[in-house]
Parts: sequence; C-alpha cells; structure tokens
Amino acid sequence: GAVVSQHPSWVICKSGTSVKIECRSLDFQATTMFWYRQFPKQSLMLMATSNEGSKATYEQGVEKDKFLINHASLTLSTLTVTSAHPEDSSFYICSARDLWSDINEQFFGPGTRLTVL
Amino acid sequence: GQNIDQPTEMTATEGAIVQINCTYQTSGFNGLFWYQQHAGEAPTFLSYNVLDGLEEKGRFSSFLSRSKGYSYLLLKELQMKDSASYLCAFMDSNYQLIWGAGTKLIIKP
Repeated sequence: GAVVSQHPSWVICKSGTSVKIECRSLDFQATTMFWYRQFPKQSLMLMATSNEGSKATYEQGVEKDKFLINHASLTLSTLTVTSAHPEDSSFYICSARDLWSDINEQFFGPGTRLTVL
Repeated sequence: GQNIDQPTEMTATEGAIVQINCTYQTSGFNGLFWYQQHAGEAPTFLSYNVLDGLEEKGRFSSFLSRSKGYSYLLLKELQMKDSASYLCAFMDSNYQLIWGAGTKLIIKP
C-alpha cells in the first residue's frame, strides 16, 4: 500500500527558531500534498494544499510567511515553521494523494509533534 | 455552503455492533471517506463511497445515501483496539476533503 513518511516524528525547539518538517511519499507519486494541524482533542485543520512545482494554496487564517511550504518533487514536500512560538505547538500531519489512484484517497504520514518552549 | 456533522462521542461494548452516522451538505460531491485515528497518531483510511449503497470490508461497512446527504460506518464484533476517533470527510468539487470533527468511540469490556 501507499506509504507516507514524515520527519522528524517529534521536535522540541526554543521560541524564535525555525523548524522544517519533511513529508515523503515512499512508493507513489504525489502531485498534491496536504498539510494539516491538529490540536489536542480537536479535528484536523487543513493549513495548505501543496502542488508540485507551484505555490501552495493556503487556507484562510494561515500565514503563508510563517508556514513556508515547498513541494519541489513528486515525492517530497516540506513545511517550515518560521520564528516558532509556543502557540505553534501542535501535531502537524501531512498527507499525499496518489497521482494514479482511482478514488483520490489521501494517505497520511505519521505526524510530527512540535513543542515550542 | 458546506458542512458536515457527526456525533462527538459514542460508547459501545466489546463484541457488539455500533453505527456511527455522518450527515453532510455540499453542492459538489466526489465521494465520502471514513478514516480511523488512534490518539496521538495520524488517520488511516478505512473506506470510500461514491455511489449509494453499502460497502463491506471485513468487520467494517460503510453506507452512503447521496440524496439524503447521509453516511454511516458500521463496526461489528467490536474489539478493544477499535477504541479510536472515526472521521468522516467528503470530497468536494475541487477534490478537497472537508472533514467532520470526528467521533470518539469508547469500547467497554
């Protein structure tokens, strides 16, 4: 089956630093990847849609200058949280859509737990 | 507009059957998904319905009625490991998933 990896699994950083999270589709090509954020006991919140070779589309209320997304290849998208603050602490999950899938399901990475001190 | 609704929490007994309902409203529809999410983990794909009817996959079945904007996930022979949140989501005309808030399922012995 389709596998999506994320790295790192968890990260602790100081306020004001930047953190980069990688999302890779391991055995399929993904023209579209999605970045979600999930706070404890809440549902998934879509942050942005990342398309290979073009600029990401951000959801309303998500600062594109703070959450930098790069989708340089069909198997890799990165999310950089710039100048992180404690309120950015959350569970960040990426998903990828298989280019050749009939039903367009999204396959999720294992998530990255970010804690900003 | 678009919206999707499912119960916040349900409780069931090990070995029993539980049905988790999901209702939605949208002008563009490209299918209804169910995902399972254990605490602290990412969601995993369970089922997809794009036509009316029941799709059965082992202990899990999913039903869709497009005219009613209604779906349910049926879990049979419940096991303790089925304790998780179950997320329904529909795919809109832009092929974007619109997520429900999730139903936390608690299984009791």
